[in-house]
Amino acid sequence: QQPVQSPQAVILREGEDAVINCSSSKALYSVHWYRQKHGEAPVFLMILLKGGEQKGHEKISASFNEKKQQSSLYLTASQLSYSGTYFCALWGTTDKLIFGTGTRLQVFP
Amino acid sequence: KAGVTQTPRYLIKTRGQQVTLSCSPISGHRSVSWYQQTPGQGLQFLFEYFSETQRNKGNFPGRFSGRQFSNSRSEMNVSTLELGDSALYLCASSLGDRGLVAGYTFGSGTRLTVV
Repeated sequence: QQPVQSPQAVILREGEDAVINCSSSKALYSVHWYRQKHGEAPVFLMILLKGGEQKGHEKISASFNEKKQQSSLYLTASQLSYSGTYFCALWGTTDKLIFGTGTRLQVFP
Repeated sequence: KAGVTQTPRYLIKTRGQQVTLSCSPISGHRSVSWYQQTPGQGLQFLFEYFSETQRNKGNFPGRFSGRQFSNSRSEMNVSTLELGDSALYLCASSLGDRGLVAGYTFGSGTRLTVV
């Protein structure tokens, strides 16, 4: 079953923050986050391997709540370059990397 | 270093024909996965190969098949093409098992149009 992301779309001004959530109905082992810009391939952002783990680089970070089967991606002080569609991808009991429904983020000056 | 290379970039085929898509992973990557991306369904898992063995398969009909060679290059084949097979087909490779080391690196994809 495809993980559900919320919100489906976000519009931001430069410098604003955003949170993207990803939920699964199945047990999770790890969570990936990817960003895909229009007309380009998805690009790996980070992977979280353990429940409770938080990771980040620069102003993009993520958390993984294993018990709630959820992950969240945090974008702070957004930049124009953050625009794109963000996908979570989950490894679970199906032993496949299943991508979420996607969240389209647009950052305007 | 070279990224994941997919060929061809664009393809137009007629209903009923078959097609073969190719993927060359990053050197040293032994895991290759294939995804179908459409506006309505998003990224759908097709299959994953690791060291020439199919590890897993998505919920696609038997018309979709694939294989991996000893040099880790992979091909996917779609037979008896249908209009609904029109999509962007993405290949992704990873250094370690299940992308645990550094996630998956995607190729630019093959845009297949079935007319």
